[in-house]
Amino acid sequence: QKEVEQNSGPLSVPEGAIASLNCTYSDRGSQSFFWYRQYSGKSPELIMSIYSNGDKEDGRFTAQLNKASQYVSLLIRDSQPSDSATYLCAVNRDDKIIFGKGTRLHILP
Amino acid sequence: EPEVTQTPSHQVTQMGQEVILRCVPISNHLYFYWYRQILGQKVEFLVSFYNNEISEKSEIFDDQFSVERPDGSNFTLKIRSTKLEDSAMYFCASSQAEDEQYFGPGTRLTVT
Repeated sequence: QKEVEQNSGPLSVPEGAIASLNCTYSDRGSQSFFWYRQYSGKSPELIMSIYSNGDKEDGRFTAQLNKASQYVSLLIRDSQPSDSATYLCAVNRDDKIIFGKGTRLHILP
Repeated sequence: EPEVTQTPSHQVTQMGQEVILRCVPISNHLYFYWYRQILGQKVEFLVSFYNNEISEKSEIFDDQFSVERPDGSNFTLKIRSTKLEDSAMYFCASSQAEDEQYFGPGTRLTVT
């Protein structure tokens, strides 16, 4: 079983709509969860962290965590063309981050 | 805003040669990491470093790899005898505690 699973996409969303990105993880003991954005040829950029069940909002981004279901999601409201990138779900385990393969998001102008 | 820096941005080397990749973590961070990303694949953990010693390493981080913090600012990754399959982007990251990690821009290593 893969440690962090994401749909690879591409996920195409019209500009101004809500983009919904999902992730599941296998280690029930994981405590810290992150979303990184990675533009092609660039390094991962931290956009959200979440540590407890529920929602966490930061500007246009909302992270959601459900530890019972081992599920993390990221909502991007009012999607912009600049949001087009690969979004990496990541889980902190034993002092290292385990990344998913990422979901490619394409915002349609 | 403080950021992690890495040099060089691109390194080309011949198989069997030694390479040293350099990183300057964010100044008040205490935890340092190296990751790699082979083209088209996911970001993979290599090693974490805290209090001048390795705290965790992956199966990828074998005897050919080593890390060092030679002074108060630099953090280096050395590959002793490079192989073709070492070609990848290498990212350094740092964190203040064992939580949010901030990544540098990466070094693209090409082994020929």
